[in-house]
Amino acid sequence: GNSVTQMEGPVTLSEEAFLTINCTYTATGYPSLFWYVQYPGEGLQLLLKATKADDKGSNKGFEATYRKETTSFHLEKGSVQVSDSAVYFCALKLTGGGNKLTFGTGTQLKVEL
Amino acid sequence: SAVISQKPSRDICQRGTSLTIQCQVDSQVTMMFWYRQQPGQSLTLIATANQGSEATYESGFVIDKFPISRPNLTFSTLTVSNMSPEDSSIYLCSVSDRGADTQYFGPGTRLTVL
Repeated sequence: GNSVTQMEGPVTLSEEAFLTINCTYTATGYPSLFWYVQYPGEGLQLLLKATKADDKGSNKGFEATYRKETTSFHLEKGSVQVSDSAVYFCALKLTGGGNKLTFGTGTQLKVEL
Repeated sequence: SAVISQKPSRDICQRGTSLTIQCQVDSQVTMMFWYRQQPGQSLTLIATANQGSEATYESGFVIDKFPISRPNLTFSTLTVSNMSPEDSSIYLCSVSDRGADTQYFGPGTRLTVL
């Protein structure tokens, strides 16, 4: 079946540190890939997406590249801020899958001064 | 992007009772979904709310426990019936247009069952 695996958290970083959150997937077709972010007490917000191999999604300094050969979609940011503290969810959607999203378990990021 | 609101934002309920959660969108959308996020866990799709017909439920979820209505293209309700403490979760509504890649999520309803 389809699944998404994320690195376990929490991840604790100092402000301005480099961030990587690993995400790998298993899918029967060619999915679209997403990163969603959930700030404390809020719902999910779309952070970025990529719809085909080698696409790079980017937003707010975050980037992720769709790597078909390694079935990965790792999230990176060059310099994190305290305001980036949140839970990050990797997700996939199969083409023709009725818009159904499959989520990873989420990775909590804590950024400290 | 669509603006989505949910009511109530949170509630504390007694076991054996039912709660209806409302989801309102500021524009017409083709598809509406209901997810559950149990404490410390990821999101699990409960069902797809279909306008004018019965909802499509995922494995492990049944209509008797989670009846869903969708009377039009901007509104849906999810009822959590005969609640138990195991139903304590955040319930999220999301919307999408058919064929579109992106889903937009509401702020969620935090439910605690005592």
